[in-house]
Amino acid sequence: GAVVSQHPSWVICKSGTSVKIECRSLDFQATTMFWYRQFPKQSLMLMATSNEGSKATYEQGVEKDKFLINHASLTLSTLTVTSAHPEDSSFYICSARDRTYEQYFGPGTRLTVT
Amino acid sequence: DAKTTQPPSMDCAEGRAANLPCNHSTISGNEYVYWYRQIHSQGPQYIIHGLKNNETNEMASLIITEDRKSSTLILPHATLRDTAVYYCIVRSGGSNYKLTFGKGTLLTVNP
Repeated sequence: GAVVSQHPSWVICKSGTSVKIECRSLDFQATTMFWYRQFPKQSLMLMATSNEGSKATYEQGVEKDKFLINHASLTLSTLTVTSAHPEDSSFYICSARDRTYEQYFGPGTRLTVT
Repeated sequence: DAKTTQPPSMDCAEGRAANLPCNHSTISGNEYVYWYRQIHSQGPQYIIHGLKNNETNEMASLIITEDRKSSTLILPHATLRDTAVYYCIVRSGGSNYKLTFGKGTLLTVNP
């Protein structure tokens, strides 16, 4: 089956620093990738949609200058949380869509900002 | 995409069938019913999907009512590892859709 990986699986960073999370589709090409955020005891919230080679589309209320998304290839998307603050601590999950339009999820990255 | 309604929580005894309901009364003709689950601190896992007909795979069965306004996910022999939040999502076919997650149903399988 289609596999999506994320790296790192967890990260701790200091307030004010930036952190990059990678999302890879391991055995398929993903023309579209998605980034979700999940706070404790809440559901997944879509942050942005990225298409290979073009700018990401952000959901309402998501700061595009804070959450930088790059989808440089058909198998890799990155999310960079810039100038992270404790309120950015969350579970970040990526998802990739294959050419049949089915969507597969990564295992998630736990970000803790101290 | 149509909105779905699920009970917030359910309990099931290990080895018994777990029947998880979902209401999607505003579903339109070209929309599919998808089920995902999320085990604690993991990404969502695809379970099954259907359009009109009932579907079965190695994980579960999906029963969709004739009017398509509701569906039931059946885990035939629940195990402790099936404890998770189950999400019922309605989405259109093709490429132009976004998967929107509601609150889902927390299924707790008890020994």
